[in-house]
Amino acid sequence: DAGVIQSPRHEVTEMGQEVTLRCKPISGHNSLFWYRQTMMRGLELLIYFNNNVPIDDSGMPEDRFSAKMPNASFSTLKIQPSEPRDSAVYFCASRTSGRSEQFFGPGTRLTVL
Amino acid sequence: KNEVEQSPQNLTAQEGEFITINCSYSVGISALHWLQQHPGGGIVSLFMLSSGKKKHGRLIATINIQEKHSSLHITASHPRDSAVYICAVKGGSHYGGATNKLIFGTGTLLAVQP
Repeated sequence: DAGVIQSPRHEVTEMGQEVTLRCKPISGHNSLFWYRQTMMRGLELLIYFNNNVPIDDSGMPEDRFSAKMPNASFSTLKIQPSEPRDSAVYFCASRTSGRSEQFFGPGTRLTVL
Repeated sequence: KNEVEQSPQNLTAQEGEFITINCSYSVGISALHWLQQHPGGGIVSLFMLSSGKKKHGRLIATINIQEKHSSLHITASHPRDSAVYICAVKGGSHYGGATNKLIFGTGTLLAVQP
């Protein structure tokens, strides 16, 4: 099992550019979570999906952030336009229904200059 | 005040010492997780608890639901245990209706010196 796969692992971009982060959950997992980790705020849940449907996006900081899950094996988190304060590590995690344990991807380290 | 508080924030220990990291929370929960984040950044789930105690190798996790408190213990600590340990709680059914949300503590940075 490859685990949760995220791409890219590192992204450096300029303020105002569009950024797309990608996640492939573990096969068979039906819940997917996007988290952001910063030094100031630690880990924060941005949004999660159950069976490809967004359930709770109350953690999405503002309209510049959007997430999609077009199928069970792929999700994207998009920031448009990006700002320096978006610099963080973005983690994707997945789990299977009936289990509480989440499996985390390696994260994407985003730097917005 | 954060809903999940961890102590200490930073901990330095000598190899072989017994280590305790504490987590207190102020909301009703259905489960509590202990996560480990290594210097490379990867996050690994160590335990999920809803009551009592769990043990895995040199790691022991306990939870007291009445006191809203959990502890993570490491016996015979080793430099490879150096990491950030994060406590996260999963809200109960009465917590905002979003029962799948995890609320994270700020983490405890552990350094075990040889």
